[in-house]
Amino acid sequence: TQLLEQSPQFLSIQEGENLTVYCNSSSVFSSLQWYRQEPGEGPVLLVTVVTGGEVKKLKRLTFQFGDARKDSSLHITAAQPGDTGLYLCAGASSGYALNFGKGTSLLVTP
Amino acid sequence: EAQVTQNPRYLITVTGKKLTVTCSQNMNHEYMSWYRQDPGLGLRQIYYSMNVEVTDKGDVPEGYKVSRKEKRNFPLILESPSPNQTSLYFCASRLMGSSYEQYFGPGTRLTVT
Repeated sequence: TQLLEQSPQFLSIQEGENLTVYCNSSSVFSSLQWYRQEPGEGPVLLVTVVTGGEVKKLKRLTFQFGDARKDSSLHITAAQPGDTGLYLCAGASSGYALNFGKGTSLLVTP
Repeated sequence: EAQVTQNPRYLITVTGKKLTVTCSQNMNHEYMSWYRQDPGLGLRQIYYSMNVEVTDKGDVPEGYKVSRKEKRNFPLILESPSPNQTSLYFCASRLMGSSYEQYFGPGTRLTVT
């Protein structure tokens, strides 16, 4: 199982601030996904990145896949309370399994 | 509506009493899996299945069984539950390629006393 390290583990910010969450590994992944999980629900896919150096934007969220396909970042601009949740990265390698990081718990207060 | 359903959503049971958590998906996905989510440990895969009658162990299979007799259903069986199996369980499904979106069920919170 390839390890995915996410940082920070917890993040509490005020509405309107910017933030970046990191997902790092020593392994190369063929693709990497970001999920958001809200309390009492299952994770929901936000984005899949496949190409090294790829950048994808989803409204105020910007996702980047590292050039070597070993790491990824999620940047949120002008965070809102609705962004509160657990953010999980998941990497896919040669097999069929997705390896999940432990997640970053984000709290955005008004 | 495309979805993964799990039942029950909440379950409190006693040590040793066999239980089954059901999982069903309506998207004709080949790949289904079970995860448990624990504080500080994240999501860990218990078992997965690549198609009917094809199942394999994930990272933490001890104490669990699964079956895949139909494509849409993938039940998780705890033959003799123990307190260390108290956890939040998720069923998930997707198409076969690992870069496809994985759809998760709403979760089953299990407490074993």
